[in-house]
Amino acid sequence: KNEVEQSPQNLTAQEGEFITINCSYSVGISALHWLQQHPGGGIVSLFMLSSGKKKHGRLIATINIQEKHSSLHITASHPRDSAVYICAVTWGDKLIFGTGTRLQVFP
Amino acid sequence: EPEVTQTPSHQVTQMGQEVILHCVPISNHLYFYWYRQILGQKVEFLVSFYNNEISEKSEIFDDQFSVERPDGSNFTLKIRSTKLEDSAMYFCAGSSGTPSYNEQFFGPGTRLTVL
Repeated sequence: KNEVEQSPQNLTAQEGEFITINCSYSVGISALHWLQQHPGGGIVSLFMLSSGKKKHGRLIATINIQEKHSSLHITASHPRDSAVYICAVTWGDKLIFGTGTRLQVFP
Repeated sequence: EPEVTQTPSHQVTQMGQEVILHCVPISNHLYFYWYRQILGQKVEFLVSFYNNEISEKSEIFDDQFSVERPDGSNFTLKIRSTKLEDSAMYFCAGSSGTPSYNEQFFGPGTRLTVL
């Protein structure tokens, strides 16, 4: 069984701040996903990665396979980044999800 | 851009009734999934479906649940006799290839309320 832990559970920031959300998992995986869930409930895939680093706009995701750890960074945060950020790992034919990090960015 | 659609957006039902949740995945997707999220909790895997059969299912997915892809476009989740604890948001997802190497694209969800 693969356990996915995220920290912090809640995060508040001022607009412009650099944000880091962490994810660790207990068993080796083939891929890790970062997802965004908005207040309405919809889930959007941000990144899927199995090694190294990916960047999309102000978002950067990194993974360290040996340490079983991934981070999601948001540079120059904005109130529209306010959402729940979820780490999930591919395990067999499914995703196993972390509990999510609720981010609020204030102007 | 193609997207996954789900209907209805909200379903209210009485305990013991059957419900069918509908999903239309992206047309070139081959792998399909149902997940659920009980209010305030994390998203949980229910079932994966490939090549017209279940490829993996969780402990939650007991005999009360079934999935079908009857016409090559719709992908449905049926709950035969709903319980109060089935109240949750149900998400359909799909991917174009194996989950190890491909992103999953999620629908907007169906909120199921069992009274």
